[in-house]
Amino acid sequence: GEDVEQSLFLSVREGDSSVINCTYTDSSSTYLYWYKQEPGAGLQLLTYIFSNMDMKQDQRLTVLLNKKDKHLSLRIADTQTGDSAIYFCAEGSSGNTGKLIFGQGTTLQVKP
Amino acid sequence: DTEVTQTPKHLVMGMTNKKSLKCEQHMGHRAMYWYKQKAKKPPELMFVYSYEKLSINESVPSRFSPECPNSSLLNLHLHALQPEDSALYLCASSKNRVSSTDTQYFGPGTRLTVL
Repeated sequence: GEDVEQSLFLSVREGDSSVINCTYTDSSSTYLYWYKQEPGAGLQLLTYIFSNMDMKQDQRLTVLLNKKDKHLSLRIADTQTGDSAIYFCAEGSSGNTGKLIFGQGTTLQVKP
Repeated sequence: DTEVTQTPKHLVMGMTNKKSLKCEQHMGHRAMYWYKQKAKKPPELMFVYSYEKLSINESVPSRFSPECPNSSLLNLHLHALQPEDSALYLCASSKNRVSSTDTQYFGPGTRLTVL
């Protein structure tokens, strides 16, 4: 079945780069998403990548997609304390149901 | 503007109460979603509406009753809930008919506590 996996926790120092990794199983996924959730808040769409792309850059965010290995990563350059949050990787479920398959979320802790 | 609004922000209710959660978007999106999220877990899909018609019900208990009065509004009616239903309830919308390629935009959620 469809499954998305992420490591649960990442701690970095302010100013360093953060890399959050995700693996997925559905090779037919068309779009892959990164959402950010701050404490007590909803999910904020950070970025997404189409499956025929290898890389997408948006300001401090870089998404890399290795379709062969079904591996997705999110790199945050110059990480700030405001980046502390839970980051969810998600893939669109096959069959056009609109269902998103989420990973368990990676908690990013940024130390000053 | 990619804004989905939800009211109320917080809700405390007893197990015999009837209450409703509201969600609104003015982006012209035609698909709307309800998710339930427990602490430190990913969101779980509950219902999907496409063009104001219920498209998906993920085997949700009947004490949760969704309603889509028009293309901008989505309600979730609550009745006889259990304490384990306490969670963050998230609404989302996407542009077109339900599709796995349509980006979903989430609201801030309603924090529900059932006593």
